[in-house]
Amino acid sequence: DAGITQSPRHKVTETGTPVTLRCHQTENHRYMYWYRQDPGHGLRLIHYSYGVKDTDKGEVSDGYSVSRSKTEDFLLTLESATSSQTSVYFCAISESTGNQPNYGYTFGSGTRLTVV
Amino acid sequence: DQQVKQNSPSLSVQEGRISILNCDYTNSMFDYFLWYKKYPAEGPTFLISISSIKDKNEDGRFTVFLNKSAKHLSLHIVPSQPGDSAVYFCAAGGGKFYFGSGTKLNVKP
Repeated sequence: DAGITQSPRHKVTETGTPVTLRCHQTENHRYMYWYRQDPGHGLRLIHYSYGVKDTDKGEVSDGYSVSRSKTEDFLLTLESATSSQTSVYFCAISESTGNQPNYGYTFGSGTRLTVV
Repeated sequence: DQQVKQNSPSLSVQEGRISILNCDYTNSMFDYFLWYKKYPAEGPTFLISISSIKDKNEDGRFTVFLNKSAKHLSLHIVPSQPGDSAVYFCAAGGGKFYFGSGTKLNVKP
């Protein structure tokens, strides 16, 4: 296994509260990604990181922020959780080839978040 | 708008027969294409890939075909086995990848 863990695995939170999800890797991969999976939409990219303190927005970044202060950790924060953010969140990592990420992500097991 | 589409939400095939999963994309600049398999309560796992310079890649029972002019790729599984029952996602891009909505494959014994 690639050594990627997500925490927590499950969380229920109330509307309006901040929530932070953690992705931790032991592979020293440069690139890290946060996706959400919803029925009918597949996997949609929220934010990604191409190095420590280097992050960028994905397709569905509104309402989310990220931080990467260490190579091994990539945090996803829902600033004020809404019911539309109820989803399964997946973290992924990839190594790089030169300055470009290699294809073939490795995914974590996911975090199921319910906002009530 | 979705850049990668899987228009069949589900597919059911008999064990031993061929499974064909389809995927369409919109951006002609995409240069890598991937297939992932996902079981319930697990993360997606990488299955097979193809680069834009090829039109076919084979790995055991799995073959991916790429038709760049049609912006279409397909995954063939021959012979299909009950353990292949899962959700299959295609992805396209290069660096960042865009995923389709998935096709749930059911292989009946």
